[in-house]
Amino acid sequence: DAMVIQNPRYQVTQFGKPVTLSCSQTLNHNVMYWYQQKSSQAPKLLFHYYDKDFNNEADTPDNFQSRRPNTSFCFLDIRSPGLGDAAMYLCATSRDLQQASNQPQHFGDGTRLSIL
Amino acid sequence: AQSVTQPDIHITVSEGASLELRCNYSYGATPYLFWYVQSPGQGLQLLLKYFSGDTLVQGIKGFEAEFKRSQSSFNLRKPSVHWSDAAEYFCAVSSGTYKYIFGTGTRLKVLA
Repeated sequence: DAMVIQNPRYQVTQFGKPVTLSCSQTLNHNVMYWYQQKSSQAPKLLFHYYDKDFNNEADTPDNFQSRRPNTSFCFLDIRSPGLGDAAMYLCATSRDLQQASNQPQHFGDGTRLSIL
Repeated sequence: AQSVTQPDIHITVSEGASLELRCNYSYGATPYLFWYVQSPGQGLQLLLKYFSGDTLVQGIKGFEAEFKRSQSSFNLRKPSVHWSDAAEYFCAVSSGTYKYIFGTGTRLKVLA
C-alpha cells in the first residue's frame, strides 16, 4: 500500500544535541509537510516542500530546518533541541498545493520526540 | 481569518450509542472541510472530506458528516459507536490551499 512512513517512531535526545527525524513516501506526491503536535493540541504546520521549493511558516523557529533530497524523502533537523521541542512530529504529503484536485493531506504515524 | 472550533474537548459515550462531534468554522467562502481521527500514539487518518456537492458525506469506519452552510457547521456522526472508535478527532478547514486550520480536537472515550 502507498503510504507515508516516519522513522523512528520514538526518539530520545539530550538537551542541545542535534536530532534528525525522517519521512518517506510511496505516494509520489509533490508536497511534503512537517507538523509539530504538542500534547492535547492541534497539529501546527512548521514548513512544507513543493518539489524542491522550501517554504517556512513565519513563526517556525530557526532551530528547525528541513531537507528534501528527492521526491520520496524529507528530513526534519532540530539543531539544538530545547525542552519545549518535546512533541509528536507529523509528516504529511499531498499531490499538490491546491486542494481543488480533491487530494487531501496524508499523514504518517509520527515520531514522538523526548528531550532529556 | 479562518478558524475552527470544536466546542467539546472530551466526550464519553457508551458502546452502541450514537455519536455526534461538533465542528464550527469561520470562513468567508465555501470551505474545504475534513475530519481526521488520531488513535493514541498514531498519526492522523482521514475519515472524510467535503469539497462540494452533496452536503451529507460518507466516510470510512461508518462515519458521516453533514455540511450546513447556514450554521457554519460540519458535524461528524456515527449511529453506533464501537470501543475501537476511542480516539481524538480533529476537524480541519482549508480555503483550497495547502494550509489546514485544525480545531483543538475532541477526545472520545467509549464505555463498555
